[in-house]
Amino acid sequence: EVQLVESGGGLVQPGRSVKLSCAVSGFTFDDYAMHWVRQAPGKGLEWVSGISWNSGNIGYADSVKGRFTISRDNAKNSLYLQMNSLRPEDTALYYCAKDVNQVIDAFDIWGQGTTVTVSS
Amino acid sequence: QSALTQPASVSGSPGQSITISCTGTSSDVGNYNLVSWYQQHPGKAPKVMIYEVGKRPSGVSNRFSGSKSGNTASLTISGLQAEDEADYYCCSYAGSSTGVFGGGTKVSVL
Repeated sequence: EVQLVESGGGLVQPGRSVKLSCAVSGFTFDDYAMHWVRQAPGKGLEWVSGISWNSGNIGYADSVKGRFTISRDNAKNSLYLQMNSLRPEDTALYYCAKDVNQVIDAFDIWGQGTTVTVSS
Repeated sequence: QSALTQPASVSGSPGQSITISCTGTSSDVGNYNLVSWYQQHPGKAPKVMIYEVGKRPSGVSNRFSGSKSGNTASLTISGLQAEDEADYYCCSYAGSSTGVFGGGTKVSVL
């Protein structure tokens, strides 16, 4: 069974850091690009960051560039998002999503998400 | 990376067809055949319905179809059913390994 399980969310103060993880099973992880997509409460989807199968191509939304870092460990079938200098507007449900391709294309498998709340 | 433009809401009666538009620019929708569409029911994770403009993943009903003309992509739902009531989002590749979503469209079945 294909599964994406996010973890690492919680309540964090503005300006602090948190690292999200996504554990993957049920498919060959290093064959596909992976992404983080977030959804603020009551709002729409926002693509946050993506990483190609071999980490050779990485992209970030302008809203997080310079503050967030995406990475993957193909040996551990895991995707990560290091989030620094957090702001209240980063409060959202963060989804891990598998791509249909080795580089950014579309997202065919999604986790259930992990919630990050940035508040003092 | 400006969000793609979608209508806030679209409605139709059971059995009818509806079309949701998704307007971008020549830097995203107009420049790549990498537009995808997602259905999201309340409290659930999104589900891909269409990818690469008009391709349908296995298991997705053939009542869903996608197309593109210039900077505007479209999702058509034919034979509208009650279960189609949900939020729908378009997404496009925007160059430099980045993606951009639309603001979302709430589909109501009257």
